Amino acid sequence: NAGVTQTPKFRVLKTGQSMTLLCAQDMNHEYMYWYRQDPGMGLRLIHYSVGEGTTAKGEVPDGYNVSRLKKQNFLLGLESAAPSQTSVYFCASDPGRGGGYTFGSGTRLTVV
Amino acid sequence: AQSVAQPEDQVNVAEGNPLTVKCTYSVSGNPYLFWYVQYPNRGLQFLLKYITGDNLVKGSYGFEAEFNKSQTSFHLKKPSALVSDSALYFCAVRHPGRRDDKIIFGKGTRLHILP
Repeated sequence: NAGVTQTPKFRVLKTGQSMTLLCAQDMNHEYMYWYRQDPGMGLRLIHYSVGEGTTAKGEVPDGYNVSRLKKQNFLLGLESAAPSQTSVYFCASDPGRGGGYTFGSGTRLTVV
Repeated sequence: AQSVAQPEDQVNVAEGNPLTVKCTYSVSGNPYLFWYVQYPNRGLQFLLKYITGDNLVKGSYGFEAEFNKSQTSFHLKKPSALVSDSALYFCAVRHPGRRDDKIIFGKGTRLHILP
């Protein structure tokens, strides 16, 4: 039982490049989330999904897009990376009904 | 608006001493409360949660948390700290039944256990 798997674990991008971060969960959870974590800022919600085919904006959505074509996968895209997007990105899944989240191990992204 | 406050950015405790990491919340009604731990270069891991019932909740790794409704607090505690407890701790709150039911996280408290 893998839980929540994020790929890649590390990536270095040049300004203006694009990339997609993949989050996969095998727990049949309805809800999925993308967060970024920066020093002193805690966790900030980027986008989330309440079910297959749905997405919604979180606290800091600008510069990111997401898709949830399959229930088990939640993709985070950066169309034109900027140095301000250097961060550690975490995906989480949630069964709903007041339970807690299960987090992936993170993707460390550096934009130079 | 819902919010969670962790008033201490960092807490230092000598190994073997009791530890407390503080958390207060501002949520109407009866929220669910959580503590998560993050070790270096890892994702957040669930420690414990309070839904209802006994105000003292026991969780993983010997941690417990005390819910105090009148003070709207949910402090994390451990009777005897270990060096391996050094990590970043997040308090979180959720209000099931609300239309916008997502977990709200505090900004985290870094716990240093000194050998």
